[in-house]
Amino acid sequence: GENVEQHPSTLSVQEGDSAVIKCTYSDSASNYFPWYKQELGKRPQLIIDIRSNVGEKKDQRIAVTLNKTAKHFSLHITETQPEDSAVYFCAASGGYQKVTFGTGTKLQVIP
Amino acid sequence: DAGVIQSPRHEVTEMGQEVTLRCKPISGHNSLFWYRQTMMRGLELLIYFNNNVPIDDSGMPEDRFSAKMPNASFSTLKIQPSEPRDSAVYFCASIAGGRRTEAFFGQGTRLTVV
Repeated sequence: GENVEQHPSTLSVQEGDSAVIKCTYSDSASNYFPWYKQELGKRPQLIIDIRSNVGEKKDQRIAVTLNKTAKHFSLHITETQPEDSAVYFCAASGGYQKVTFGTGTKLQVIP
Repeated sequence: DAGVIQSPRHEVTEMGQEVTLRCKPISGHNSLFWYRQTMMRGLELLIYFNNNVPIDDSGMPEDRFSAKMPNASFSTLKIQPSEPRDSAVYFCASIAGGRRTEAFFGQGTRLTVV
């Protein structure tokens, strides 16, 4: 089955700096890679996603990149703000839309 | 639509008791997932259904765990007997299907087994 590894597990950045979270996956059949944000005590919610026919996607301060050959994908947050503090999960999905999550990255933005 | 609805929101039970968690997916969604979240293991996929049929239950930790989806609008996750190490937040999520691949999560059930 699919295995998704995520690094780092915790990340602290100064407000205004950039944050990068990296993931790898094992199943070459996976073709959809979403990122979820989970604020304290709340449910995970989708913030951005990328499909295997695209190498990069950007939405305001958030961007995702995908390297299918290396089975790597990353989340980039620029100009971080305190409200970006949360746990971020990467995920990989393939047949039957089975969504396998990484172990999460706790991001702390220091004002 | 009210989104994915889980009940109860919180459950405290004694070791050895049976626990049943419930989930109502978003109407029209054809895939349903049960996840367990702990600090140590993050979000673990326990089981998922497609069109009410269990597709992969390899994440179910032990025979004490079972899940059913008798129809498109209801699923249960049962733990019998419960143990303290089962304490976690259990999330249900559903996906519409086709090109609509976003997973919508319920608010979760926080289970504490004492």
